[in-house]
Amino acid sequence: SQQGEEDPQALSIQEGENATMNCSYKTSINNLQWYRQNSGRGLVHLILIRSNEREKHSGRLRVTLDTSKKSSSLLITASRAADTASYFCASNTGNQFYFGTGTSLTVIP
Amino acid sequence: NAGVTQTPKFRVLKTGQSMTLLCAQDMNHEYMYWYRQDPGMGLRLIHYSVGEGTTAKGEVPDGYNVSRLKKQNFLLGLESAAPSQTSVYFCASSYYPNQPQHFGDGTRLSIL
Repeated sequence: SQQGEEDPQALSIQEGENATMNCSYKTSINNLQWYRQNSGRGLVHLILIRSNEREKHSGRLRVTLDTSKKSSSLLITASRAADTASYFCASNTGNQFYFGTGTSLTVIP
Repeated sequence: NAGVTQTPKFRVLKTGQSMTLLCAQDMNHEYMYWYRQDPGMGLRLIHYSVGEGTTAKGEVPDGYNVSRLKKQNFLLGLESAAPSQTSVYFCASSYYPNQPQHFGDGTRLSIL
């Protein structure tokens, strides 16, 4: 399987704290993307980082990419209760995407 | 602008029955994808299409067939449903393969 892995599997933090989740993938990539999934809904794209980029920011999101280690991390700063969701990384190779197993984030008000 | 619409939202089948899941997108995307999501497994690609009239196998294609007769529609078929196909099925689309995907809200399928 080319499926990636994420850790931690679950994360519970207080509102206002930062949340960091990590992703490992298995193949060479064109880019790596992070998605969010609220319970019972489809995935929503958050941010994309290309293979030649090392860091990218979007609002309260910061993504890093280390292609030598085949890993990425997503940092959500100043978390809010509304950030409660599952987060998935997806490595893009050619026409296909390989999703990680996801991190379930709970932000306690 | 509806984005990606999946029908039906829920379905219960008996082992051996057949059915078709429909995905429709109104964004003029070339690429469309079918995934299944199982607990603890994340999403796995079943089949995908790079344009009207084309289909290709993904990571877990066995037991499924697809068709893309119109650019806006991507159909996923189960010819003879098995309990192992109980899952949540997601359709997604994108302009290009390296671009963000837009997802539907899923079809929850149970096979008894």
